[in-house]
Amino acid sequence: DIQMTQSPSSLSASVGDRVTITCRASQSIRTYLNWYQQKPGKAPNLLIYAASSLQSGVPPRFSGSGSGTDFTLTISSLQPEDFATYYCQQTYSSPQLTFGGGTKVDIK
Amino acid sequence: QLQLQESGPGLMKPSETLSLTCTVSGGSISSSSYFWVWIRQPPGKGLEWIGSIYHSGSTYYNPSLKSRVTISVDTSKNQFSLKLSSVTAPDTAVYYCARHMDDVLIGYYIDSWGQGTLVTVSS
Repeated sequence: DIQMTQSPSSLSASVGDRVTITCRASQSIRTYLNWYQQKPGKAPNLLIYAASSLQSGVPPRFSGSGSGTDFTLTISSLQPEDFATYYCQQTYSSPQLTFGGGTKVDIK
Repeated sequence: QLQLQESGPGLMKPSETLSLTCTVSGGSISSSSYFWVWIRQPPGKGLEWIGSIYHSGSTYYNPSLKSRVTISVDTSKNQFSLKLSSVTAPDTAVYYCARHMDDVLIGYYIDSWGQGTLVTVSS
């Protein structure tokens, strides 16, 4: 099974900050990596797919990078609506899926 | 606009079998560009993939749950279902059904989710 490890598990940041979240796979997954945002009481929402492709309608302050085992989600300038929990997901072994443990971004 | 809606009991007793159904509207469950998934999220915790099913009926399960999980599809009703046997308190979670894109040209990602349904296991 492919394991996904996110870090940090939580972080505090201010509006306007640049935020970086990392996701590491237990084996190479090439670029089969997605990022989702989840707000309390809601289902997750796709932000980035294939490691670096921005989903339609997602603000360009979100970006993704990486390949192989190490991936990064960056929010270039944190906005109030970005305080949420972020999850990575590998689809290399699709339809068998794995999610990272999540990173909660809250207000400093 | 595709919509997915989970239905099933919200409260269960230990050892019972959880049964949930996901009704898909605004699109066909038989599309070859997708497969269908169940995901759960215990209160305050992360997302856990339970299993996936194609419209053909081919299934794939999380190894940690495989012995207790059955996922099925009813294309005539545009529904797919989850059964989880012998539930215990750790199975308490919000259960989501979702559609997963499965297309070499478009990509591989979850593009639609149900709203989720909380299932509590308690004696």
